[in-house]
Amino acid sequence: DQQVKQNSPSLSVQEGRISILNCDYTNSMFDYFLWYKKYPAEGPTFLISISSIKDKNEDGRFTVFLNKSAKHLSLHIVPSQPGDSAVYFCAASELRGRSQGNLIFGKGTKLSVKP
Amino acid sequence: AAGVIQSPRHLIKEKRETATLKCYPIPRHDTVYWYQQGPGQDPQFLISFYEKMQSDKGSIPDRFSAQQFSDYHSELNMSSLELGDSALYFCASSLPRGGGEQFFGPGTRLTVL
Repeated sequence: DQQVKQNSPSLSVQEGRISILNCDYTNSMFDYFLWYKKYPAEGPTFLISISSIKDKNEDGRFTVFLNKSAKHLSLHIVPSQPGDSAVYFCAASELRGRSQGNLIFGKGTKLSVKP
Repeated sequence: AAGVIQSPRHLIKEKRETATLKCYPIPRHDTVYWYQQGPGQDPQFLISFYEKMQSDKGSIPDRFSAQQFSDYHSELNMSSLELGDSALYFCASSLPRGGGEQFFGPGTRLTVL
């Protein structure tokens, strides 16, 4: 039973345009959400995160939006660059005691940015 | 900036052998997490440690064990290896009261023949 879902296995975008990657979750106890970028045979690289008390977090070209009522979050990349081509994982966690618990990952979306 | 270090990067073992994977977290990070990623799969949580104590357990087989040492490095011990254990094993570390961000190492690719 997948608690974090990325329903689009792949996305192709033209360089300079906006990339929108979507993620849905089912566990209402999740209170922290993260996006990771991953290249083959490398570890996931942290991109951006958002706490459940916020609905938007922005860092340079990357913006994450959270809609708690819909249990949906999205990552916007503007403008998209060919170097952004990678697999993007959405992940979620819940507070366990004094620290965040383990991450639950989605299946990933492969983004291809074409020059 | 210092990152999470994992060793070895690649490991080839035969069925029923044992393997030990090592993880050195980012300095001042004292929480370590282990994940397993099979081919074409998302990373699956195995086990985590906070201040040298096991803090959470996921889908870790009984054949696997792990610990965190006084210098905060962690080792994942895998015995009676099976073909299905072939995967990428990632270690991640985080600050204990940080925002929840986990920073991943490059992974160890384990191949069981």
